[in-house]
Amino acid sequence: DVVMTQSPLARPVTLGQPASISCRSSQSLASSRGTTYLDWYQQRPGLSPRRLIYEISKRDSGVPDRFSGSGSGTDFTLEISGVEAEDVGIYYCMQGTHWPYTFGQGTKLEIK
Amino acid sequence: QVQLVESGGGLVKPGGSLRLSCAVSGIPLSGQWMSWIRQAPGKGLEWLSYIGTTSYEINLVDSVKGRFTASRDNARNSVFLQMNSLRGEDTAVYYCATLHWNSLNNWGQGVMVTVSS
Repeated sequence: DVVMTQSPLARPVTLGQPASISCRSSQSLASSRGTTYLDWYQQRPGLSPRRLIYEISKRDSGVPDRFSGSGSGTDFTLEISGVEAEDVGIYYCMQGTHWPYTFGQGTKLEIK
Repeated sequence: QVQLVESGGGLVKPGGSLRLSCAVSGIPLSGQWMSWIRQAPGKGLEWLSYIGTTSYEINLVDSVKGRFTASRDNARNSVFLQMNSLRGEDTAVYYCATLHWNSLNNWGQGVMVTVSS
């Protein structure tokens, strides 16, 4: 199975400051179709996960543009340009290239 | 607006069975691939299965293969997860989600399953 490793596991951040989360996969996520199936999900406290980013960098409808995704191959990053209070929660990366699809352990974003 | 509503969870003894349902509204289920994902208390997310539009394509992770079965009824706009031989480690919130191009674009609110004697 493809192992997804996120870092850090906890990210304290001051409101208005940027934050980034790293995600590394144990093998390349580039598919035979040429698409890299790497997503980012946000899970706010007590709620279901919600997709923010798919295919590395495509933002879902309604997701603020302060969220951006980048990377390729085995190394990926989620960046928040200026953290707001509503961004508190756990962020997961997920690969959909190799079955079984797998999630990272999650990164808890909290306000200092 | 797409809405997914899971039901059928509860408390069950080890070795018992439960059948989870996921009712889909706002889109025709017949065109949707669907998935089940779970989250043990205080833990991360684990993908369990996917099922294609006509049920010819079904896959389950090894940890539940042989115990869990995914199915769907497009006429009832519902998907199901039959869970047999339940164990303590199956205790989790179970989510259904739509699967589009290998990505989970809509999620339900989840349903709790507790396996305990």
